[in-house]
Amino acid sequence: DIVLTQSPALAVSLGQRATISCRASQSVSVSRYNLMHWYQQKPGQQPKLLIYRASNLASGIPARFSGSGSGTDFTLTINPVQADDIATYYCQQSRESPWTFGGGTKLELK
Amino acid sequence: QVKLLQSGAALVKPGTSVKMSCKPSGYTFTDYWMSWVKQSHGQSLEWIGEIYPNSGATNFNEKFKGKATLTVDKSTSTSYMELSRLTSEDSAIYYCTRSNYNNYGFAYWGQGTLVTVSS
Repeated sequence: DIVLTQSPALAVSLGQRATISCRASQSVSVSRYNLMHWYQQKPGQQPKLLIYRASNLASGIPARFSGSGSGTDFTLTINPVQADDIATYYCQQSRESPWTFGGGTKLELK
Repeated sequence: QVKLLQSGAALVKPGTSVKMSCKPSGYTFTDYWMSWVKQSHGQSLEWIGEIYPNSGATNFNEKFKGKATLTVDKSTSTSYMELSRLTSEDSAIYYCTRSNYNNYGFAYWGQGTLVTVSS
């Protein structure tokens, strides 16, 4: 299985940039497609898709969210961070079944 | 718009089974694969498996083979997951989820079904 590794937590100040990383145990890129997706989950809610295929903003997601990366290293950036962004963020790969998720990064206020 | 409505919470005894449902609306049920995802308390997400309602074809995470059974009822456009031989390790929230297209991420999620296994 492809293992996705995320830092458990990140502390940021409101209005600053947050950079959340995800490292895969093997490449999740196929030709020009980077098969990594990002989700936001708030307590008591289901996950919400933010970014698909590494860098594409999902429908209705604010432009302060962006994604980048290829191969094994991917980044979700939130700039600027707003209070509503305090949540846990998960990466997920669809390169190889079983589809796997990272352990999640909890975004906290500094 | 697309919605996935899941059945309510269940309190079940160890060694028994539980069957939960997911009823989508806002799209043609048979056109999209439906996945199921497990989230243990305070933990990350695990993909259990998926089913294609049109044919009933399934794919499973090896970890959940023998534990989870996925079925659909096309007459009611409902997807089901049954978990068998329950233990405390099966206590979790279970989500049904759907992507828009292959490799576009899971765009739609149900609200989750909480399963608690306790004697």
